[in-house]
Amino acid sequence: DIQMTQSPSSLSASVGDRVTITCRSSQTIGDYFSWYQQKPGTAPKLLIYAVSNLQSGVPSRFRGGGSGTDFTLTISSLQPEDIAIYYCLQSYSTPYTFGQGTKLEVK
Amino acid sequence: EVQLVQSGAEVKKPGDSLKISCLASGYSFNTYWIAWVRQVPGQGLEWMGVIYPHDSDTRYSPSFQGLVTISADKSITTAYLQWSGLEASDTAIYYCARLTTLTGRFDYWGQGTLVTVSS
Repeated sequence: DIQMTQSPSSLSASVGDRVTITCRSSQTIGDYFSWYQQKPGTAPKLLIYAVSNLQSGVPSRFRGGGSGTDFTLTISSLQPEDIAIYYCLQSYSTPYTFGQGTKLEVK
Repeated sequence: EVQLVQSGAEVKKPGDSLKISCLASGYSFNTYWIAWVRQVPGQGLEWMGVIYPHDSDTRYSPSFQGLVTISADKSITTAYLQWSGLEASDTAIYYCARLTTLTGRFDYWGQGTLVTVSS
């Protein structure tokens, strides 16, 4: 199975800060990589797919990057509504695997 | 508009059987995979398996193989997740999600079904 290692597990930042979350896969996964945002009591929401493509309707302050086994999610200017848990996902091969999640809090 | 609407919360006893559903609308049901994802309260997301409704091709995570059954009924554009003998450890929220294989993204999600197993 492909393991996804996400870091940090939690993060506290101020409004307006630039925030970066990383995810590392245990083997190369091409561009079968996506990021999801989950707010309390709601279903996960797709933010970024194919490493760097912004899902329709997602604010442009979210950006995905990386290649090979190392990937990043960057929020260019943190907003209060960005409080959530963020998950990465590899869909290169089954079983698909999520990262452990990053809980983002606003100071 | 693409929608995945899941069945309501369930409270069951250990050993009970259960089948929860995910009704899809707004797209061609046969041509997208549907996945099931588990979330134990307070914990992360776990991919359970996926089904292609066109031919019912199904793939399971080894962690869930033999413990659950994923199925689909094309005539009513509905996917299912079922258990034949629930355990307390099955208490979780279960989400269905549409998979777009070209990019490997889960682009639409159901609202989740809370399953509580308690004696």
